Amino acid sequence: DAEITQSPRHKITETGRQVTLACHQTWNHNNMFWYRQDLGHGLRLIHYSYGVQDTNKGEVSDGYSVSRSNTEDLPLTLESAASSQTSVYFCASSESTSSKIQYFGAGTRLSVL
Amino acid sequence: DQQVKQNSPSLSVQEGRISILNCDYTNSMFDYFLWYKKYPAEGPTFLISISSIKDKNEDGRFTVFLNKSAKHLSLHIVPSQPGDSAVYFCAATIGGSEKLVFGKGTKLTVNP
Repeated sequence: DAEITQSPRHKITETGRQVTLACHQTWNHNNMFWYRQDLGHGLRLIHYSYGVQDTNKGEVSDGYSVSRSNTEDLPLTLESAASSQTSVYFCASSESTSSKIQYFGAGTRLSVL
Repeated sequence: DQQVKQNSPSLSVQEGRISILNCDYTNSMFDYFLWYKKYPAEGPTFLISISSIKDKNEDGRFTVFLNKSAKHLSLHIVPSQPGDSAVYFCAATIGGSEKLVFGKGTKLTVNP
């Protein structure tokens, strides 16, 4: 079955370190998204991509970057981790159809100490 | 500026009764709305959606109502079951965009 997987599921890091969260989907979807979920804020869009070599900034992109070198993967990099980036991160993917349905991974819980 | 608002952080109902979750939006350009359900330690899963050309969409126990003039939608769950206990997110999008704008979520607890 097609799926979307995130790794690691849990990560603890120190401030200032570079961290990369992986997202891999086997749906062959063109569109991929990264969100963060924080108490009191719901899901906020960090970056998104509509295809290979395409990346776009979302609502809360400062301190994050993404790259899209193939259809299946959209890794999220925290260039210099900050305590404010402690959060749960979700990756999602979708087809470009009228349904607009995004399919989410199980999430990565990141703690920056 | 929050474009999609879920003003009730939590809701508690008895098993078998109706659960009504509400969502308001401010952007009149939104033309497609989705509800997601999220269990702890899992990713959100799609539940039901509605296009702005409709005012109701039904799928089993779940019905979404859209009132465009009031910029309001609601999710009805009848009858509610303990397994429905989760956080429910309302999301909206504009035609031509693949991005979703999410509300903050409402935590539903269904008591046996």
